[in-house]
Amino acid sequence: LAKTTQPISMDSYEGQEVNITCSHNNIATNDYITWYQQFPSQGPRFIIQGYKTKVTNEVASLFIPADRKSSTLSLPRVSLSDTAVYYCLVGDGGYNKLIFGAGTRLAVHP
Amino acid sequence: EAGVTQFPSHSVIEKGQTVTLRCDPISGHDNLYWYRRVMGKEIKFLLHFVKESKQDESGMPNNRFLAERTGGTYSTLKVQPAELEDSGVYFCASSQVSGALDGYTFGSGTRLTVV
Repeated sequence: LAKTTQPISMDSYEGQEVNITCSHNNIATNDYITWYQQFPSQGPRFIIQGYKTKVTNEVASLFIPADRKSSTLSLPRVSLSDTAVYYCLVGDGGYNKLIFGAGTRLAVHP
Repeated sequence: EAGVTQFPSHSVIEKGQTVTLRCDPISGHDNLYWYRRVMGKEIKFLLHFVKESKQDESGMPNNRFLAERTGGTYSTLKVQPAELEDSGVYFCASSQVSGALDGYTFGSGTRLTVV
């Protein structure tokens, strides 16, 4: 899996848009970019995956530039319940395992 | 659809004792994984079952850890004897197919404290 770099922590307030950027300079042609979310006292939960351009679902949007060396997870109008750790993973699944980094700890304040 | 269930949610044991963690995957998921996070560290892969067979156990820390999945349904992870450094949160995950980064469903974990 490609090595990823993301901020250790971020703070936001309710109602704001939060953008978490992940760098993955060594991304391979077959690699997908996948984000997991982990709430306190729970296991990680898949939220979004993309290969290029933009992907949007009911939880978040994922923006991937043409060179694919980075990606940005966008959470619109966050609420207190979005407080969690967000993990960026990059790979093609060939290792049959997830390799987690430290993730980004997002704290949403009232 | 029921999710991945882990039992117990918490366990506190003394050093040298034995503890067995259980994971019930989503019904029909042939792939079952164990991960753990020890204090201050990242979530690390332990092993992967396909049905009842161990596909990859490269992450198992030592021979005090024994994972089983008899009959290809639920799995147990036994730590014997437990050491202080085994304290952490143990996660189980399952997936219908292997290799898809978006296909994992995790349980809530078992928090193990060895004192």
